[in-house]
Amino acid sequence: ILNVEQSPQSLHVQEGDSTNFTCSFPSSNFYALHWYRWETAKSPEALFVMTLNGDEKKKGRISATLNTKEGYSYLYIKGSQPEDSATYLCAVSPGTYKYIFGTGTRLKVLA
Amino acid sequence: GAGVSQSPSNKVTEKGKDVELRCDPISGHTALYWYRQSLGQGLEFLIYFQGNSAPDKSGLPSDRFSAERTGGSVSTLTIQRTQQEDSAVYLCASSLEWGEQYFGPGTRLTVT
Repeated sequence: ILNVEQSPQSLHVQEGDSTNFTCSFPSSNFYALHWYRWETAKSPEALFVMTLNGDEKKKGRISATLNTKEGYSYLYIKGSQPEDSATYLCAVSPGTYKYIFGTGTRLKVLA
Repeated sequence: GAGVSQSPSNKVTEKGKDVELRCDPISGHTALYWYRQSLGQGLEFLIYFQGNSAPDKSGLPSDRFSAERTGGSVSTLTIQRTQQEDSAVYLCASSLEWGEQYFGPGTRLTVT
């Protein structure tokens, strides 16, 4: 069974701080990795899909990297804002149409 | 355009009753997924549809759970004889082919 782990489970940062979280997965049986942002009372929203080792994606102040050989992905937020407060979910696809989610990292940005 | 919608948004039911949850995917999306999130847990895959067929039902936790999709569109997830451990947020997502999933707002099910 593919196990996707995310760390930390939760964190609080001050507005303006930069932060990062980790998604770890078995490096075998990998097809793609997805990052989602899930704000309270809203639906999860896709941030990035990455498939290739060394992939880097960026959307505004948020970026992500992927290392498929060692089985991890980092999500970075530069200059955190209160509106970045959300749960960040990582999902790994061992094949098409299959998504294994981690338990998420809950981020709280303090004004 | 309209996103994925789910109904009801909240459902409180007594243990032993049957419930039906509905998902309206984005028009034209061929793939549809059901997940649930129990308190303190990650998103748990339940079932996936490609068109009207369900190639992967491996996540359904017991035979009390069933799902169908008609016309390549609306899907219903039925839970028979609900138990307290069925309490969770049930999320539906759809995608065009494979890739980025679009999630609905979820149905919060509480079994008393």
